Amino acid sequence: QKEVEQNSGPLSVPEGAIASLNCTYSDRGSQSFFWYRQYSGKSPELIMSIYSNGDKEDGRFTAQLNKASQYVSLLIRDSQPSDSATYLCAVRAGGYNKLIFGAGTRLAVHP
Amino acid sequence: EAQVTQNPRYLITVTGKKLTVTCSQNMNHEYMSWYRQDPGLGLRQIYYSMNVEVTDKGDVPEGYKVSRKEKRNFPLILESPSPNQTSLYFCASRPWGTGNNYEQYFGPGTRLTVT
Repeated sequence: QKEVEQNSGPLSVPEGAIASLNCTYSDRGSQSFFWYRQYSGKSPELIMSIYSNGDKEDGRFTAQLNKASQYVSLLIRDSQPSDSATYLCAVRAGGYNKLIFGAGTRLAVHP
Repeated sequence: EAQVTQNPRYLITVTGKKLTVTCSQNMNHEYMSWYRQDPGLGLRQIYYSMNVEVTDKGDVPEGYKVSRKEKRNFPLILESPSPNQTSLYFCASRPWGTGNNYEQYFGPGTRLTVT
């Protein structure tokens, strides 16, 4: 079982819709959770971090964490073509001073 | 501006010719690491360093060396590059240790081709 799993996509949504990206992790002791956006050929860019159960909102982005279900998600409201990218979920596993990355979900927002 | 820089950004080389990719950060971060990214495989950690003179292997260290003589610099060395090391390489840094501050920042990437 992979430690951090994401659906590879592509997830295709129309412009203006809500894009929902999901991530599950295997280590129940995981502490911190991050979402990175990566445009093709570019470096990952941190867009959200979340540390406790519930929702965290930042502009059009909302991160949701459910530690009991070992599940973290990212919602992008009013999706724009410029949001088309690969989204990487990263988890700091319990007891480790290391970030573990999922393979990423490719999002395509079409006009 | 807080940033992680890498050089070169693009490199084409031949099998067996030693090369070094430099990485530098200006955020006074203790922790630095190197990743390679290949299609379908995501980001895989090569080596990491928790502070000056402290380095350790990541998930895919074979064929690579690193050093950390100064806090800001963390070069990646390929002593004898091979074609299977053709990849996109990222250096990253973050604060080390307590609390939840594991926000990690990436350099712009180095695209390496070994022929």
